Amino acid sequence: DAGITQSPRHKVTETGTPVTLRCHQTENHRYMYWYRQDPGHGLRLIHYSYGVKDTDKGEVSDGYSVSRSKTEDFLLTLESATSSQTSVYFCAISGVDRENTEAFFGQGTRLTVV
Amino acid sequence: AQKITQTQPGMFVQEKEAVTLDCTYDTSDQSYGLFWYKQPSSGEMIFLIYQGSYDEQNATEGRYSLNFQKARKSANLVISASQLGDSAMYFCAMRERSNYQLIWGAGTKLIIKP
Repeated sequence: DAGITQSPRHKVTETGTPVTLRCHQTENHRYMYWYRQDPGHGLRLIHYSYGVKDTDKGEVSDGYSVSRSKTEDFLLTLESATSSQTSVYFCAISGVDRENTEAFFGQGTRLTVV
Repeated sequence: AQKITQTQPGMFVQEKEAVTLDCTYDTSDQSYGLFWYKQPSSGEMIFLIYQGSYDEQNATEGRYSLNFQKARKSANLVISASQLGDSAMYFCAMRERSNYQLIWGAGTKLIIKP
């Protein structure tokens, strides 16, 4: 199994509070991704990183920011959590960002915003 | 327009039977990759199988095979001799050379009946 750890695994937070989710990898992969999963939508890309301090927006980036200060860590921050951000969040990694390369996923973080 | 379409929200299959999960895709790229992932009730995303657009043979991985029909833009997953442990959500995804982000279908929930 790819070495990807997400923390926390579960979190309940209040509307308006900041929240940070952490993704840690031991594979030394260059590319890291944050997705959210909602019923009927599959997975949707929030942000991704192609190297230390190199990040870019995905399909649903509004309300989220990311940081990558080390190869192994990719942080996702919800600046001010809203109920619409209640979701399951997945981190993924990939050695190369090519059309023929699979991504490996962490176990997910279930976030509930009340 | 949907780039990945999985038309079967849910399926029931008798144990030991073969099952085909449908996936159609839309792309104008000549080079792309198609992926299938399994998500059991525990929540993790497990990579199953990959098919490249230039691959002449259908991909196989153990009991999983991919019925790739390029002209019809379909990439159906076939599971032979289904087992109770195959009960899960199954997602089809695509990566294009012009955009390396994984694009996901909405998934099919497969339930294997004993």
